[in-house]
Amino acid sequence: QKEVEQDPGPLSVPEGAIVSLNCTYSNSAFQYFMWYRQYSRKGPELLMYTYSSGNKEDGRFTAQVDKSSKYISLFIRDSQPSDSATYLCAMTGNYGGSQGNLIFGKGTKLSVKP
Amino acid sequence: ETGVTQSPTHLIKTRGQQVTLRCSSQSGHNTVSWYQQALGQGPQFIFQYYREEENGRGNFPPRFSGLQFPNYSSELNVNALELDDSALYLCASRGGGHQETQYFGPGTRLLVL
Repeated sequence: QKEVEQDPGPLSVPEGAIVSLNCTYSNSAFQYFMWYRQYSRKGPELLMYTYSSGNKEDGRFTAQVDKSSKYISLFIRDSQPSDSATYLCAMTGNYGGSQGNLIFGKGTKLSVKP
Repeated sequence: ETGVTQSPTHLIKTRGQQVTLRCSSQSGHNTVSWYQQALGQGPQFIFQYYREEENGRGNFPPRFSGLQFPNYSSELNVNALELDDSALYLCASRGGGHQETQYFGPGTRLLVL
């Protein structure tokens, strides 16, 4: 079992739809959870950062963390064609000499159709 | 504020050759990490540098090595290139209050023939 599981998609939705992206993980030491957006042939861009359990909202984006279920989600409201990208979940905990190295999911490729 | 920059943007090498990739960290960031992203995969952690010392390493062989300079910029060196080394190499920097938040550069796309 991989440490972080993420459905690679592809996921195709019409413009204006609510998008739900999810990751599960197995390592209970993870405390910091991030979502990155990666456009084709570009580096990942940080979208959301959450510490421990709870919700965080930023504009059209909402990140949720449920540590008891080892499950994190990213919701995108009123999706736009410009949201078409690969979305990567990433997480880390405080451990030893490699403190802060991120463990990524495979990424979900999202396409928002006009 | 200048973001993370990487050079070159892409390059082609042949098996057995050596390559050096370069990264300039975001202003004020003192920690640099390198990741390898194969096609269709998430980034995989290679190693991390802080105060010019390697202080964390992922599951990569010793032919992957690095340096960090006093201005916090960094190099990734790969010796004896193999076909499977073909990937996007990403540099990320962090620092300040949220030490866990890493900011990525655009990457260097390496093709090994």
